[in-house]
Amino acid sequence: NAGVTQTPKFQVLKTGQSMTLQCAQDMNHNSMYWYRQDPGMGLRLIYYSASEGTTDKGEVPNGYNVSRLNKREFSLRLESAAPSQTSVYFCASSEAGGGIDTQYFGPGTRLTVL
Amino acid sequence: KQEVTQIPAALSVPEGENLVLNCSFTDSAIYNLQWFRQDPGKGLTSLLLIQSSQREQTSGRLNASLDKSSGRSTLYIAASQPGDSATYLCAVNSGYSTLTFGKGTMLLVSP
Repeated sequence: NAGVTQTPKFQVLKTGQSMTLQCAQDMNHNSMYWYRQDPGMGLRLIYYSASEGTTDKGEVPNGYNVSRLNKREFSLRLESAAPSQTSVYFCASSEAGGGIDTQYFGPGTRLTVL
Repeated sequence: KQEVTQIPAALSVPEGENLVLNCSFTDSAIYNLQWFRQDPGKGLTSLLLIQSSQREQTSGRLNASLDKSSGRSTLYIAASQPGDSATYLCAVNSGYSTLTFGKGTMLLVSP
């Protein structure tokens, strides 16, 4: 039982490049989330998926797109990376939605945009 | 908009001390409150979840309390150990399918 896995662990991009961050969970959870963590800002929600086939914007969605590929996988795409997107990105999942139960976090992807 | 504040931002204590971490939130209409632990360079690990109808939750040496009316929660760590060194994050769910996080308290327990 690996929990929540994320790939890659580290990535360096140049401004304007695109990339997709991958997330998978093996706990049969319904809801999945993408957060970014910046120094002095705390964790902020980018997008979430309450259930397979649905996605919704969080607090900071601009510049990102998401895909809930199936119940296990939830990807985050940066179409044209900007230096302001330098951050640590965390994927999380929970059995139910609405934040009513515990969220389980992946180890994070550390992204630098030059 | 819900805002979550954690005090202190950093705390250094000798091993064996009992300590309290504080969390306050501006909107008392919450569904639950969670405490997480984050080790350097790692993801978050859930420690305790308190539903809005509860006053406290305990897990081992950890005890979390919730006073919803005053917008406060505390995390009490008994007999601290060097392995407790980490950043502790408080997060509240205000019922909009999201968690609002505080910026955390960085704890260092020295041997």
